[in-house]
Amino acid sequence: AQSVTQLDSQVPVFEEAPVELRCNYSSSVSVYLFWYVQYPNQGLQLLLKYLSGSTLVKGINGFEAEFNKSQTSFHLRKPSVHISDTAEYFCAVIPVYNQGGKLIFGQGTELSVKP
Amino acid sequence: DSGVTQTPKHLITATGQRVTLRCSPRSGDLSVYWYQQSLDQGLQFLIQYYNGEERAKGNILERFSAQQFPDLHSELNLSSLELGDSALYFCASSGMDWLTDTQYFGPGTRLTVL
Repeated sequence: AQSVTQLDSQVPVFEEAPVELRCNYSSSVSVYLFWYVQYPNQGLQLLLKYLSGSTLVKGINGFEAEFNKSQTSFHLRKPSVHISDTAEYFCAVIPVYNQGGKLIFGQGTELSVKP
Repeated sequence: DSGVTQTPKHLITATGQRVTLRCSPRSGDLSVYWYQQSLDQGLQFLIQYYNGEERAKGNILERFSAQQFPDLHSELNLSSLELGDSALYFCASSGMDWLTDTQYFGPGTRLTVL
């Protein structure tokens, strides 16, 4: 079975400060990794994904994430946040075996950017 | 706008009732997924359909069922509703490669069971 743990349920940060949202996963098989963002009263939007290749992945809105296989982590970073980044962020995995595209999500991290 | 549409946006009903949630995928997408988001369970995968066939199943209750029609829209049927079924239900769609293609999420249907 697979599981995803987002280590912080809430992250408050000031505008223009850097931020890191932490994600660890557990899986007995290889996985693909994703970060999604959910703005208030909206659906989820893909920020970035890691399928293979370079372990540093760049996404939309200036976010990037680094896949670390030995630590089974996929932390999300942004060097300078804006008020508009206030949202809930979800880390997710899909196990790489042929059983459909089931996304397994972490519990979410609420990012609150203050002026 | 993701291109995935869901109706209705809000649904308020009573315990014991049955409701149907509808999803239209992005043009050309063959896979449709249903997820439930609640405060206590978080985001949980329910079921996936690919071109009309069930492809993967999560922890979907027996009271819940879904189908995908020839025009690729999907419906999620929830019956004998309980208070605990109150949640946000999302539909997502993706292309042929369900492992690597991005899942695009609709805006969700908020179900309130009174």
